[in-house]
Amino acid sequence: DTAVSQTPKYLVTQMGNDKSIKCEQNLGHDTMYWYKQDSKKFLKIMFSYNNKELIINETVPNRFSPKSPDKAHLNLHINSLELGDSAVYFCASSRGGNTIYFGEGSWLTVV
Amino acid sequence: GQQLNQSPQSMFIQEGEDVSMNCTSSSIFNTWLWYKQDPGEGPVLLIALYKAGELTSNGRLTAQFGITRKDSFLNISASIPSDVGIYFCAGHGTSGSRLTFGEGTQLTVNP
Repeated sequence: DTAVSQTPKYLVTQMGNDKSIKCEQNLGHDTMYWYKQDSKKFLKIMFSYNNKELIINETVPNRFSPKSPDKAHLNLHINSLELGDSAVYFCASSRGGNTIYFGEGSWLTVV
Repeated sequence: GQQLNQSPQSMFIQEGEDVSMNCTSSSIFNTWLWYKQDPGEGPVLLIALYKAGELTSNGRLTAQFGITRKDSFLNISASIPSDVGIYFCAGHGTSGSRLTFGEGTQLTVNP
């Protein structure tokens, strides 16, 4: 009964491929996020959705496309993967913009 | 935009020692949060602070919301090896603003 669950946890793929990371939350929250954590461990927000509507879209290449089919799901699709996309991607959720709860992360390695 | 300075960047201590880390912001915050990230996991909320001057404990952890509303500290008493990880501060500025994260404090505890 994980609160914020994301899959896969580990993903190794070749440059140029397209991949997706799925996220689901069972906390009844209305806001979901995608964060990227780089090698220096800095947490950088990528996207935020509130009730399925995009409210934050940081300067992220348009190869990254989030999709929120409903309030409990926010998936991240990445096209034409590049070496620099290698990072840990965290899904998160909150009620409104308050305390954020994170998933366990998806470790993406592009080779 | 809002900036958070978290220090120290890393700490190496002996088991049993007390630890202190802090965050300062360039503007007033309404909420301060402290997270811990274990290796290979996502950040987990430790303590949330909502009022200036608030002092809150969670076991051996104590955090305070600074009176000026521009800083917060986290103390860990009698450290143990499982305290190892990265500690992040985070804060909300004005209502509706996004959560801003500090750059993290990497804690190493030598047994």
